[in-house]
Amino acid sequence: SAVISQKPSRDICQRGTSLTIQCQVDSQVTMMFWYRQQPGQSLTLIATANQGSEATYESGFVIDKFPISRPNLTFSTLTVSNMSPEDSSIYLCSVAGQGGYNEQFFGPGTRLTVL
Amino acid sequence: DAKTTQPNSMESNEEEPVHLPCNHSTISGTDYIHWYRQLPSQGPEYVIHGLTSNVNNRMASLAIAEDRKSSTLILHRATLRDAAVYYCILRGFDSSNTGKLIFGQGTTLQVKP
Repeated sequence: SAVISQKPSRDICQRGTSLTIQCQVDSQVTMMFWYRQQPGQSLTLIATANQGSEATYESGFVIDKFPISRPNLTFSTLTVSNMSPEDSSIYLCSVAGQGGYNEQFFGPGTRLTVL
Repeated sequence: DAKTTQPNSMESNEEEPVHLPCNHSTISGTDYIHWYRQLPSQGPEYVIHGLTSNVNNRMASLAIAEDRKSSTLILHRATLRDAAVYYCILRGFDSSNTGKLIFGQGTTLQVKP
């Protein structure tokens, strides 16, 4: 199993500012994912972040808005840039091993409110 | 990505079995069937997964149809703590997929005392 922590757990930000969310895993993992969950909705995958390569973004998400760093096998950051109220969501970090048979583990999420 | 279809919501009585259905008619031969659940105010948690054969673990059982076009998550005795959104997800791995999980809307399970 993998234990994931995220910082901050929640934040309230002003529009136009940026917030960097940290994800720390207690073991080395290959694949890391960032999700967004808007109020009352399901999870939407933002990007896949593998160590040593550029993050792969899903349709509708761009690097300028959600830059991601993955400096090693236990840590990643997601920045939400130039925030607007529409960015108010829960952002979740997730990790998995390679292969379709491996379970995926999720962090507790970061609850972001943009005013 | 192969899609799944689940009922929006289901109700169950406490201590009774619950059968949560999932249709995945476009499943490919290398797709694993994963189930996750999300309790209120928490991140999703893994429940069970399988490929072809039925699977059991301490949380639940997974019954997979012979043609793999549908599956059923079985909670043998529902408790109030099982009230959550249950997601049925197909997860494969190839050079373009990278094993990512794509969430649908899931089934909201309500458990009544």
